[in-house]
Amino acid sequence: NAGVTQTPKFRILKIGQSMTLQCTQDMNHNYMYWYRQDPGMGLKLIYYSVGAGITDKGEVPNGYNVSRSTTEDFPLRLELAAPSQTSVYFCASSYPGDKNIQYFGAGTRLSVL
Amino acid sequence: AQSVTQPDIHITVSEGASLELRCNYSYGATPYLFWYVQSPGQGLQLLLKYFSGDTLVQGIKGFEAEFKRSQSSFNLRKPSVHWSDAAEYFCAVGATSGTYKYIFGTGTRLKVLA
Repeated sequence: NAGVTQTPKFRILKIGQSMTLQCTQDMNHNYMYWYRQDPGMGLKLIYYSVGAGITDKGEVPNGYNVSRSTTEDFPLRLELAAPSQTSVYFCASSYPGDKNIQYFGAGTRLSVL
Repeated sequence: AQSVTQPDIHITVSEGASLELRCNYSYGATPYLFWYVQSPGQGLQLLLKYFSGDTLVQGIKGFEAEFKRSQSSFNLRKPSVHWSDAAEYFCAVGATSGTYKYIFGTGTRLKVLA
């Protein structure tokens, strides 16, 4: 039972590079979320999706893009990486029929140097 | 504005001592309430949740939390802390409809002394 799987676990980027953080879930959840976690700041919502083809901005969307072509996958794209994007990124998924309990992946630790 | 406050950034307790982590929220109506735990280098694991009904809820690992509507609080407790409880704890509120987005507190880091 894999749950929510994130890849890669760690990545170092140079300023201006781009990359895609992968997130996939095998629970057939409609809703998926991307958060970033910075020390002392808790988790901030970047983007979320309520189903395939439907995405919307969260609290801190600048510098990121997402797509949701399937129920299972919700990749997060960083274009022109900046040091301010150094963070730990978490993907989560939920199902409204389950009171929207969010299940989290193990995270991707990203450093932009 | 909707918010979640965890007033204690760090808490240190001795193994075997009792624990209470505080969580207060500001929300338009009674939301869903959650506590998650994050061990070092790991993702977030759900400890317990409150949706409605009995205001004292039991969770995994011997944790419990009490919802107090009058105080807009959802404090986490454990009678006897184990060294393996050292982690960061997050309180979250969730919308009961619509996009079901969460708002997280800033977390409380628990240190356990042997």
